[in-house]
Amino acid sequence: NAGVTQTPKFRVLKTGQSMTLLCAQDMNHEYMYWYRQDPGMGLRLIHYSVGEGTTAKGEVPDGYNVSRLKKQNFLLGLESAAPSQTSVYFCASSYTGQVDLNIQYFGAGTRLSVL
Amino acid sequence: AQSVTQPDIHITVSEGASLELRCNYSYGATPYLFWYVQSPGQGLQLLLKYFSGDTLVQGIKGFEAEFKRSQSSFNLRKPSVHWSDAAEYFCAVGARAGGTSYGKLTFGQGTILTVHP
Repeated sequence: NAGVTQTPKFRVLKTGQSMTLLCAQDMNHEYMYWYRQDPGMGLRLIHYSVGEGTTAKGEVPDGYNVSRLKKQNFLLGLESAAPSQTSVYFCASSYTGQVDLNIQYFGAGTRLSVL
Repeated sequence: AQSVTQPDIHITVSEGASLELRCNYSYGATPYLFWYVQSPGQGLQLLLKYFSGDTLVQGIKGFEAEFKRSQSSFNLRKPSVHWSDAAEYFCAVGARAGGTSYGKLTFGQGTILTVHP
């Protein structure tokens, strides 16, 4: 099983450039999440989605946009990249339900550097 | 607000030695508790979880964790560490209260484990 797949795995951007990170899951999960991981700070939630066509802000949403046009895909966009967005980005997904939505399945991550 | 503290940023142990990684949480009720492991260049993998019941939970790869309500702790243990256990470990707390519309996981800062041969 592929589980949660993120593309690309690595990317280098110049300040001001834009890009889209793709997350795809094949587990028919309703919920999907985007996190960023920075040294010494654990994972912080950027945006999340509770179903196709829905998105909501997480803990650190500024500078990012997301879309969930298909249930299996969750896109994270950077319209104008800044050096502060250099990070490792993780996508995750989960089933619904009070217990199940706490069990999240993670992709391998995208390492982004903004110069 | 829920929070998680992992007091040890980096721990080094010898192969075959025992291991304990500390995790303290802050939450208004009994939380859902998790330990995840991240191997270099990989995503996070769930090691074990606590929802209710027996406070000593068993996970994959020979790990276990004990929920201690009085100490607000959920420490991860392994009796004999293998070189392949070298990774970063994250403790996380999940919201239990009704009204939460998504899996609000709050992660600790992580503990990097180095294993010496």
